[in-house]
Amino acid sequence: ETGVTQTPRHLVMGMTNKKSLKCEQHLGHNAMYWYKQSAKKPLELMFVYNFKEQTENNSVPSRFSPECPNSSHLFLHLHTLQPEDSALYLCASSSGMPSGETQYFGPGTRLLVL
Amino acid sequence: AQSVAQPEDQVNVAEGNPLTVKCTYSVSGNPYLFWYVQYPNRGLQFLLKYITGDNLVKGSYGFEAEFNKSQTSFHLKKPSALVSDSALYFCAVRSVQTGANNLFFGTGTRLTVIP
Repeated sequence: ETGVTQTPRHLVMGMTNKKSLKCEQHLGHNAMYWYKQSAKKPLELMFVYNFKEQTENNSVPSRFSPECPNSSHLFLHLHTLQPEDSALYLCASSSGMPSGETQYFGPGTRLLVL
Repeated sequence: AQSVAQPEDQVNVAEGNPLTVKCTYSVSGNPYLFWYVQYPNRGLQFLLKYITGDNLVKGSYGFEAEFNKSQTSFHLKKPSALVSDSALYFCAVRSVQTGANNLFFGTGTRLTVIP
């Protein structure tokens, strides 16, 4: 899992807090993704960045704000979250070439909103 | 619309027996198909993928999957299960034609290999 790293691994926050999740990929990829994983549900794609440009926002509430300063780093800024936002947040990266390329995942950040 | 169905939430198999984890998909046009595995407190690890060519795809840790276009299936198989194979398995699909690199995942199947 050294290819894609995520920090922190665990996060507990209140509904009025502001926090950020960080993702870094060491694979030389050009596309990065945020997913939300909740129990008994399919992984939900949240955001996609290709070459630092956001190409997908899957109707995600504005309390989640992504940032991609370069092709290696991706952030997810969190503010005024709700308890139902508690989940595992996974970051992934891929080469960015549209030919069935594989997405590689980080270990995730386990988020608990109180 | 693109979607994946994994009809079994849980599969139990005895160690040394063959295992199958089922996946069916719906996609416009031709599919790219993937299998991932997730161990506790870990992210998803890539196992194998079908892009084109031979319908039988071999992947990591002795796993293989067979693409069946007529049945729109991509079942994951292994001839002899190990206790260490116990994990959560996800099937995913994307359309060749859309040009987008978004994957659509199933809900996952928990595999338990019994010693």
